[in-house]
Amino acid sequence: GESVGLHLPTLSVQEGDNSIINCAYSNSASDYFIWYKQESGKGPQFIIDIRSNMDKRQGQRVTVLLNKTVKHLSLQIAATQPGDSAVYFCAENRGNAGNMLTFGGGTRLMVKP
Amino acid sequence: EAGVVQSPRYKIIEKKQPVAFWCNPISGHNTLYWYLQNLGQGPELLIRYENEEAVDDSQLPKDRFSAERLKGVDSTLKIQPAELGDSAVYLCASSSARRSGELFFGEGSRLTVL
Repeated sequence: GESVGLHLPTLSVQEGDNSIINCAYSNSASDYFIWYKQESGKGPQFIIDIRSNMDKRQGQRVTVLLNKTVKHLSLQIAATQPGDSAVYFCAENRGNAGNMLTFGGGTRLMVKP
Repeated sequence: EAGVVQSPRYKIIEKKQPVAFWCNPISGHNTLYWYLQNLGQGPELLIRYENEEAVDDSQLPKDRFSAERLKGVDSTLKIQPAELGDSAVYLCASSSARRSGELFFGEGSRLTVL
């Protein structure tokens, strides 16, 4: 499949380890944040979201942490699997009305067997 | 349930030629988006539709790009004439009113302008 990005920050982890992908956002007014996963040759896929009134949200094997003080978002993946290999994007909603998602630059996660 | 369908998956054209991309969103999704994704970067919004109305097209280069969503379902994005810098992946996404933050993306249309 085609490569999504050639010069992305890359995180390499061993299969079974936990992964932490970080994201900094810029707009203090952003009230909603989403993590997307993009596999090679495919469109981004929704993973998990969090609203600004929360600090933490858990899904299946994934946890998102939000630190509004330093405008930082992280995605934790437990027991990382080869199928988790992809590019991960954080997105923030800056809109006061409607949906205005702005995507970050992405991090490539590589899982070593 | 079928996902967001885009066509063509790949298109190679010479500069100054026109090109059009088609998107069929998930049934019942009233919001449709066109994003542009350059290699190594996150998607950038070009235009957002609420039903048939374009509610955010501030990032659409209107001198050469146009879009339409007739009847509030399918959408077409057109570039005329294409330039070398338009080479990118054009992503279509849709979302429902109930969960407007969860965008469902198509696989994209990769454009190469020679």
